[in-house]
Amino acid sequence: GAGVSQSPSNKVTEKGKDVELRCDPISGHTALYWYRQRLGQGLEFLIYFQGNSAPDKSGLPSDRFSAERTGESVSTLTIQRTQQEDSAVYLCASSLPGTQETQYFGPGTRLLVL
Amino acid sequence: TQLLEQSPQFLSIQEGENLTVYCNSSSVFSSLQWYRQEPGEGPVLLVTVVTGGEVKKLKRLTFQFGDARKDSSLHITAAQPGDTGLYLCAGAWGTYKYIFGTGTRLKVLA
Repeated sequence: GAGVSQSPSNKVTEKGKDVELRCDPISGHTALYWYRQRLGQGLEFLIYFQGNSAPDKSGLPSDRFSAERTGESVSTLTIQRTQQEDSAVYLCASSLPGTQETQYFGPGTRLLVL
Repeated sequence: TQLLEQSPQFLSIQEGENLTVYCNSSSVFSSLQWYRQEPGEGPVLLVTVVTGGEVKKLKRLTFQFGDARKDSSLHITAAQPGDTGLYLCAGAWGTYKYIFGTGTRLKVLA
């Protein structure tokens, strides 16, 4: 079936503007992760959703970042009042629950804040 | 703060050479995963190791989990240009969280 999809693939915005990033997980995957990857770096955990449980938001770097997920489907990551340091690739992954399950990653959204 | 250090950060080798990438931490992980990421794409899982001392082989790739489950290595035999990419290790922390390593960028020259 279809993999994880993300949109937009690229986003250029001006400092201070809000942006919304979208993730469509694999159908049936109850777990969904958002990560940030700065240029040439590893992945930084942002937020985790599992079914209808309260999300783990412990990785969100500031209150300008928020995320929502409708049931076990689409998730959106919103960054308000973007700053230049927000420039990065934002990756979404979905999986069945549990850390021995395979995370399937989307291609990412490349965000550039001018 | 949990941290996974990978070494080397960059590696450029000739086709046919062997190489080893290391992933080290002071923390114990319940399992550890290795991913490869190509430009413009998300990481793709290569292997999950669970038991201390475990060794897994995937064609020319050999993965080992340290006895204390704090470190891991990835050995590639007879590297090929298709092995080029960013290699990431990720330690499982708790029931769902992963700590990702800093990455090793490998380039295999034909």
